[in-house]
Amino acid sequence: QTVVTQEPSFSVSPGGTVTLTCALSSGSVSTSHYPSWYQQTPGQAPRTLIYSTNTRSSGVPNRFSGSILGNKAALTITGAQADDESDYYCVLYMGSALVFGGGTKLTVL
Amino acid sequence: EVQLLESGGAVVQPGGSLRVSCVASGFTFSNHAMSWVRQAPGKGLEWVSTLSASSSGGDTFYADSVKGRFTISRDNSKNTLYLQMNSLRAEDTAVYYCARFVVGIIPPAIYFDHWGQGTLVTVSS
Repeated sequence: QTVVTQEPSFSVSPGGTVTLTCALSSGSVSTSHYPSWYQQTPGQAPRTLIYSTNTRSSGVPNRFSGSILGNKAALTITGAQADDESDYYCVLYMGSALVFGGGTKLTVL
Repeated sequence: EVQLLESGGAVVQPGGSLRVSCVASGFTFSNHAMSWVRQAPGKGLEWVSTLSASSSGGDTFYADSVKGRFTISRDNSKNTLYLQMNSLRAEDTAVYYCARFVVGIIPPAIYFDHWGQGTLVTVSS
């Protein structure tokens, strides 16, 4: 069974830079997994941030960027703002299934 | 503007059945794949099922956790996506989100691009 692992929590100072990662239980994440990233605040529906590894969804500020770092997918927030405090989820395409990571709770303080 | 509106969430007894719906607007529904994603209380997101566009064959895909119990379907004349849930268990308790699913060729892409607000399904006696 495929497990996708994210950091459970992360903290960043306002204006700082943070990189969240998304790893596979076995093997490396590649562009063939079409990594995508979603932001969710409590009580709200998810919001699409990044797809196909590094393409920003419409309306997403350019302080959000995606990449492959080593054997993981990564979401980098440059110049973090208070309203970036949210849960962040990655999703990997695994053939006939999609697998969400467990999510990272990002605190901005 | 793309809008997805789920409905049908309820309290159901273990072993029971329920159908939730998602009405779509703002785009040509029949041309798009659609998915259900759920979120148990205080937990993360979990992909449940995807139904390809009718023009792509209407193929269905399910998470192992719901395979054989849940059925995804669509009525393009009503711009509506459904999820029929049978043999419900306590662990199926969650907010169920409808999401438009993009499968792009040029450029290649696989992701959820629009989300509804969700409907709560509670399985409890």
